[in-house]
Amino acid sequence: EDQVTQSPEALRLQEGESSSLNCSYTVSGLRGLFWYRQDPGKGPEFLFTLYSAGEEKEKERLKATLTKKESFLHITAPKPEDSATYLCAVRLGGFKTIFGAGTRLFVKA
Amino acid sequence: DTGVSQDPRHKITKRGQNVTFRCDPISEHNRLYWYRQTLGQGPEFLTYFQNEAQLEKSRLLSDRFSAERPKGSFSTLEIQRTEQGDSAMYLCASSLLREGGAGANVLTFGAGSRLTVL
Repeated sequence: EDQVTQSPEALRLQEGESSSLNCSYTVSGLRGLFWYRQDPGKGPEFLFTLYSAGEEKEKERLKATLTKKESFLHITAPKPEDSATYLCAVRLGGFKTIFGAGTRLFVKA
Repeated sequence: DTGVSQDPRHKITKRGQNVTFRCDPISEHNRLYWYRQTLGQGPEFLTYFQNEAQLEKSRLLSDRFSAERPKGSFSTLEIQRTEQGDSAMYLCASSLLREGGAGANVLTFGAGSRLTVL
């Protein structure tokens, strides 16, 4: 069965304390891996797409990387405004996209 | 274009009642998705449309759920005989499928419709 697993479920950081979020996947045909950010009471907002192992994408304090079985979202020197839930998703054949449960990130000033 | 719009934002209903949610996607997008999200979980796939055709429906979706997308524009999601377990956020998303199937299929989400079944 196609599955996306994210860890940790929650992560508490001090402002400036860098860390990484993990997304592992077991799918029959990966057509793309996505990272989204979701703020409370809002829909997910697109961050990155990765297609092949070794690929990296960066945006401000965030960097996403991809291997054959997992992806990491690295957060460098986070700020309180980075607090949100970060969702990993994979696109399957036929354009169906499935999501992991997310990592809730809390950054304290 | 103001993005993906969903209505209503909040709905409180009694068990056994029918509810309908509406989604207006980004106008040039030809794909439309419905997801359900409960507290602490990621969005769970329900169904998707390419234009007016419903291409896939989750096996987890009971017969009480039905979705339509007449004329390939807005979409409705109806839940009949609601149960307390239907309480969740219902998210709509749209994307643009380019000719030949190329592209990332990035989903643009609405703010969601929150359903509370008493």
